[in-house]
Parts: sequence; structure tokens; C-alpha cells
Amino acid sequence: DIVITQTPLSLSVTPGQPASISCRSSQSLLHTDGKTYLYWYLQKPGQPPQPLIYEVSNRFSGVPNRFSGSGSGTDFTLRISRVEAEDAGVYYCMHSILFPRAFGQGTRVEIK
Amino acid sequence: EVQLLESGGGLEQPGGSLRLSCAASGFTFSSYSMSWVRQAPRKGLEWVSVVSSSGDTTHYADSVKGRFTISRDNSKNTLYLQMNSLRAEDTAKYYCVKDASGWGAFDIWGQGTMVTVSS
Repeated sequence: DIVITQTPLSLSVTPGQPASISCRSSQSLLHTDGKTYLYWYLQKPGQPPQPLIYEVSNRFSGVPNRFSGSGSGTDFTLRISRVEAEDAGVYYCMHSILFPRAFGQGTRVEIK
Repeated sequence: EVQLLESGGGLEQPGGSLRLSCAASGFTFSSYSMSWVRQAPRKGLEWVSVVSSSGDTTHYADSVKGRFTISRDNSKNTLYLQMNSLRAEDTAKYYCVKDASGWGAFDIWGQGTMVTVSS
């Protein structure tokens, strides 16, 4: 099975400052169809997760453009250009190149 | 409005069974793969199972394989998860999730239903 590792596990950020979360996969997530199946989700306190990024770098509908994703193969990054108070929560990356799908452990982002 | 509404959670003894349901509305249910994702108290997310749009293909996490069965009724716009031989480690909130692409693009999540397995 593919193992997904996120770093750091927690992050404290001042509003207006950038933030970055890393996600590493134990195997390449590049499919033979040319797509890379790596997703990012955010779970705000007391809520179900909500989608942020699909296939490495594409924002889901309605996601602010301060969120961006990058990477390839086994190494990926989620960046928030200027953190806002509403960005607090736990961020998860997930692969879906094969079964079983797997999430990373989550990165808790606290706003100072 | 696109909505997923889970039900069927509750307290069950180890070895018991529960069936979760997820009623979908606001989209063409029969066109999308659907998944269950769970979250144990104060823990991270764990993918549990997926069923294809037609219902003829399913996959499971190793932790539930042979005990849980995912199914759907497209005529009722409803997703199910039959959970047998429940264990304490199955205690979690179970989320019903719509997959926009069939490849893990989980664009719509329900509010979840809590399952507690305890004697």
C-alpha cells in the first residue's frame, strides 16, 4: 500500500504571512494516463472536510486563489500565499492512484 | 442544493451489525462513484470504501474487508454501508462522499454519522 507522509504536523501562522505544507508519497502518483492523483482537503473545526485541490494543482470550484498546489511524482506542496483567520483547521493530502486510497496524517494550522 | 445526509449510526456491541445510509439530493446520483470515509475521535481521515456509479465495482480498505459491504440503490438515490462483526476500532464518524471524477475528487461531503462500538 502507498503511505502518505505530511510535514509539518502542526503550523502556527500570522495572518497575512505565507504557509506551506509538504506531502510525500511512498510511490509515484503519476498514472499511465498522464494525470497525478494527489488531492488536498481542509477540515475546519467541527465541520466535515472540504475540497481544496485536485490532481496536484487544480483548485476546486470556489476555492480562493491564495491556495495553490504543486509537485510531481512523490513530492507535493500546498501553499497559502497570505493566510487568513478562516484558514485554520487540519489539512490533509490524499492519493487515489490505486486502492486503497490513503490520506496523510493531517497538518494542523493555527492562526496566531 | 447538493446534499448528502447520513443516518443509521449509533451504539453497538462488539460483534454486532449496523447499516448506514446516505440520502443524496441535488445531483444525478447515478452518474457518480460514492465513497465512505471515517474519522475516529481526535484522529485523522481514513478512506473506507468506494462503489462505482453503476454499483458493479467496489473496493475496501484492508481494515474493513470481509466485514463491511458498500452498495447503492440508484432508484432511491441512496448509498449504504453494511457493517458486520463490528470492533471497537470501528468507532468513528462515517462520512458519505461524492466523487466528482471517480478518482478521489471528493467534492461533496455529508455531515457524518457517529458509530460507537462498545460493550
